[in-house]
Amino acid sequence: DAGITQSPRYKITETGRQVTLMCHQTWSHSYMFWYRQDLGHGLRLIYYSAAADITDKGEVPDGYVVSRSKTENFPLTLESATRSQTSVYFCASSEPTGELFFGEGSRLTVL
Amino acid sequence: SQKIEQNSEALNIQEGKTATLTCNYTNYSPAYLQWYRQDPGRGPVFLLLIRENEKEKRKERLKVTFDTTLKQSLFHITASQPADSATYLCAPILTGTASKLTFGTGTRLQVTL
Repeated sequence: DAGITQSPRYKITETGRQVTLMCHQTWSHSYMFWYRQDLGHGLRLIYYSAAADITDKGEVPDGYVVSRSKTENFPLTLESATRSQTSVYFCASSEPTGELFFGEGSRLTVL
Repeated sequence: SQKIEQNSEALNIQEGKTATLTCNYTNYSPAYLQWYRQDPGRGPVFLLLIRENEKEKRKERLKVTFDTTLKQSLFHITASQPADSATYLCAPILTGTASKLTFGTGTRLQVTL
């Protein structure tokens, strides 16, 4: 099915561990994004990518790493998870000035 | 700094009435603005886009206005239904920076029978 899928949907980890959230889209959209959503802060942009091998920081990039070796995939890695990274993470894709298509989210808890 | 403000308090209205949600922005001039709907536990879903040269945009029961002088967008749902209950997010976009879409915190709408 066409769309954007995130995995895992739920993840519990411990402080200091590395975690990777996966995002895959089937539309061949050039842009992909990672947001986190926390109560009181709304959606905040972590990183985005304009094309394969092109990534740039958003509003809250510290503690996160991204890569985009293929157009359809945009994994987000927390190299050493902290409790403050407990959040719901949303991946999205779009054409340059179009609407964003969001995944269903990945709920991450860092103990 | 750039700021987007949406009413953080929930809006409670009766079925059949018109719901009006507000999005105010400061310290920048967006070329266009998007509205999204988000249901609990789900990702946001795109609803409407309005450009700075458009005063009003309609889609079925939805209407969006964009006042660049007031730096405000209003989002209306006419003949509201309980199924319209959700959080609505606005996202003003600067020309050339669509890659860094910034969202307001959203307003939760509750439509009761």
